[in-house]
Parts: sequence; C-alpha cells; structure tokens
Amino acid sequence: ILNVEQSPQSLHVQEGDSTNFTCSFPSSNFYALHWYRWETAKSPEALFVMTLNGDEKKKGRISATLNTKEGYSYLYIKGSQPEDSATYLCAFGRTDKLIFGTGTRLQVFP
Amino acid sequence: EAQVTQNPRYLITVTGKKLTVTCSQNMNHEYMSWYRQDPGLGLRQIYYSMNVEVTDKGDVPEGYKVSRKEKRNFPLILESPSPNQTSLYFCASSFQRGNTEAFFGQGTRLTVV
Repeated sequence: ILNVEQSPQSLHVQEGDSTNFTCSFPSSNFYALHWYRWETAKSPEALFVMTLNGDEKKKGRISATLNTKEGYSYLYIKGSQPEDSATYLCAFGRTDKLIFGTGTRLQVFP
Repeated sequence: EAQVTQNPRYLITVTGKKLTVTCSQNMNHEYMSWYRQDPGLGLRQIYYSMNVEVTDKGDVPEGYKVSRKEKRNFPLILESPSPNQTSLYFCASSFQRGNTEAFFGQGTRLTVV
C-alpha cells in the first residue's frame, strides 16, 4: 500500500506570516507529484505538477520544491492572506492514478 | 470555458434506490476518474477510465459501476445504495494519467438514509 503523508494536519497563522507544509511519498518509482488547493464548498484546483527531482515551481506567493530521492515536497506560502485559507492536498502521481494525502488545512486570521 | 460538470450537487436518497451521478468534461481528456472524500481520509479513487469503453477499478469500487460510452461522459452508478456510501463524490479528468493536472467537478454530496 502506497502512503502519502501530509503534515501538519492543520495550521492557524496570522495574516502576513509565512508558512510551509510537507508531503512525504514513496521515493521509488517516482512519476509525478501534484499540489492542489481546495477551498470549502468548492472543488480542488491544481497548483503545481512536478516531475523532476529538484523541481521548484512558483505561482504568486506560493511555491513548491521537490526531492524525489528522499521522497518529500514542501509547499511554501509567503505572507499568508485570509484568502489563502483552504485545504492543501498533495497527490503522488502514478501511471494509472493519483494517490492523495489527507491534506493540510490552513486558516489565516486577519 | 474548460470545465468538468457534475450533477446533482446534492442528493438525499433511500437505501436500495438506484441512482446515477453524471459527469461531463469539455476538454477532450482521455482520462477520467471518480473519487470519494470521507472525513479523515484522502480522496480515494473508485473507478477510472483511460479511454472510451476502457474502465478499471480503483481502490474502493464495491457498490459502484461506471460506463464510458463517449469520451466526454463518465457517469457513476449506484445500483443499490447503502448508508456507507454517504460521502462527497468528485469526478475528475486529465489529459494524461498521472503527470498532468486533474480538473475536478463541483462535487456531489450524497446522503443515503
């Protein structure tokens, strides 16, 4: 059974704080690593898909790094805003499917 | 607008009454899949389809059926729903299987009483 672990489970930060979360995945047979942002009452939306060891991707204040050899990815949010409040999901991409972690729920207080 | 459309958004039904949740995408994606989301668990794949007339079981297929007669549509069928199928369901599509982003439908919250 392949496990994708995310930590922490939840996080409360003040507006303006920078934060980061971790996704751990199997380091063998790596294919792809996805990050999704899931707001309450909406559907998950893709942030990044990374396929190469050492990949770094950035979208505005959000960035992600990938280490396939040790099996982890970090998602960083710089200067968190209340609108960043959401659950952040990572998914390990195989050739047949995505295996999702349980997510990190972020709440940003004004 | 590129999108995945799921219907209905909310459904309350009784045990044993057959139901279908529809899913349609307009991006000409070959790969489509169904997931369920339960508290404390990650999204779990129910069924997936790699192309028309090609479907396969995911991690939790018991009690569900799917069909893929056309590329754009991938309905989820519950022949005899039971209370343990109460969940939030998502349909998703992608250009390829594991290394391109998935586009999700709006979700269907199903309650079986």
